[in-house]
Amino acid sequence: EVHLVESGGGLVQPGRSLRLSCTASGFIFGEYAMNWVRQAPGKGLEGIGFIRSKNYGGTSVCAASVKGRFTISRDDSKSIAYLQMNSLKTEDTAVYYCTRVNYQDYDGNSVIDYWGQGALVIVSS
Amino acid sequence: DIQMTQSPSSLSASVGDRVTITCRTSQNIYTYLNWYQHKPGKAPKLLISAASNLQSGVPSRFSGSGSGTDFTLTINSLQPEDFATYYCQQCYIPPYSFGQGTRLDI
Repeated sequence: EVHLVESGGGLVQPGRSLRLSCTASGFIFGEYAMNWVRQAPGKGLEGIGFIRSKNYGGTSVCAASVKGRFTISRDDSKSIAYLQMNSLKTEDTAVYYCTRVNYQDYDGNSVIDYWGQGALVIVSS
Repeated sequence: DIQMTQSPSSLSASVGDRVTITCRTSQNIYTYLNWYQHKPGKAPKLLISAASNLQSGVPSRFSGSGSGTDFTLTINSLQPEDFATYYCQQCYIPPYSFGQGTRLDI
């Protein structure tokens, strides 16, 4: 059974850094792209970053709203994806979800098929 | 990043109604468009991929259409369990952005 477990959330002051980890199990982690999604209080879902599998270069891309401050990485030997968040702002307060991206051969679309339970990050002084 | 504009942001309807939610993208994404249903306290559920492919186990009252920049999610004969928030998501270019969501209330 697929499981994604986020850790590392908490209360942090503006301008500080925090790293979230996503520990995966139940599937061959290295074969999948991973994706981070956040949901601020009372707001909708926001896709903030994506990292390809090593087979597709292992490169990552972040949304414009966090580019230059957030980076995504992965350690396939440990089945962990990371979200490094620097220069945090109050507007980064949200629940951060780690998600698995699955490429569907039959229609050529990539979909999010599994979600973690989320990690709450509160940025406040 | 590809911008997603979803409308309406909220919608009130009754059991048995037919509702339509639209999603517009800032550039042509062909049919690289997914729809999710999100209920409080639960993980979002994939309903439709590639604009119109109904996922296994999803009731046939859900349907999707569109291509290019304009997409539609239609729910026929609303059931009580359909009241939730719906999101479109593009999967053409990462980061895979979402629409702002449509909250469907009774």
